[in-house]
Amino acid sequence: DAGVTQSPTHLIKTRGQQVTLRCSPKSGHDTVSWYQQALGQGPQFIFQYYEEEERQRGNFPDRFSGHQFPNYSSELNVNALLLGDSALYLCASRAGGETQYFGPGTRLLVL
Amino acid sequence: RKEVEQDPGPFNVPEGATVAFNCTYSNSASQSFFWYRQDCRKEPKLLMSVYSSGNEDGRFTAQLNRASQYISLLIRDSKLSDSATYLCVVSLIKAAGNKLTFGGGTRVLVKP
Repeated sequence: DAGVTQSPTHLIKTRGQQVTLRCSPKSGHDTVSWYQQALGQGPQFIFQYYEEEERQRGNFPDRFSGHQFPNYSSELNVNALLLGDSALYLCASRAGGETQYFGPGTRLLVL
Repeated sequence: RKEVEQDPGPFNVPEGATVAFNCTYSNSASQSFFWYRQDCRKEPKLLMSVYSSGNEDGRFTAQLNRASQYISLLIRDSKLSDSATYLCVVSLIKAAGNKLTFGGGTRVLVKP
């Protein structure tokens, strides 16, 4: 049983560029959440998707957008990248229960 | 004020010793509480949920004090493999979702 998978594992972009990160949830899970973890800090909630809709959003600007597909996989898009967007981006999935399982993350470096 | 606050540490612990640390949360409406463990450059993994009655899982004991709004984690007989960052997590369940709010983490270093 595959857990949560994310791609790519690492990414280097320059300021102003756009990036798309991908997440496949754990089998049987229908809800996907995205978190941003800056170095030395705890993860910060970006948004959550369920039934292909954004259900809840954290304090992130509109440059951060997402999508969920019918197979429950999800994408996180970030436009107009800033140096401060450099972080580990984590995807977490869950089924009806509360326990969220995290993927290995995508490390994004903005130069 | 941060929603979830933790002492960042590091807590330097001799192997075999006991270590305990807390976190505090600001939203009294928080409904679910967890400890996650995160190894260096890895994803967070659920260590244990925290219940009002307190709960134990092997060498790990978690306590919740709703009146004072803090959560504690105690590790007995520390192993070298317990070296990690421990993230305190609270959840406010809404009809629309249940985002997890993380503390900044407490770093624990177990030394021989």
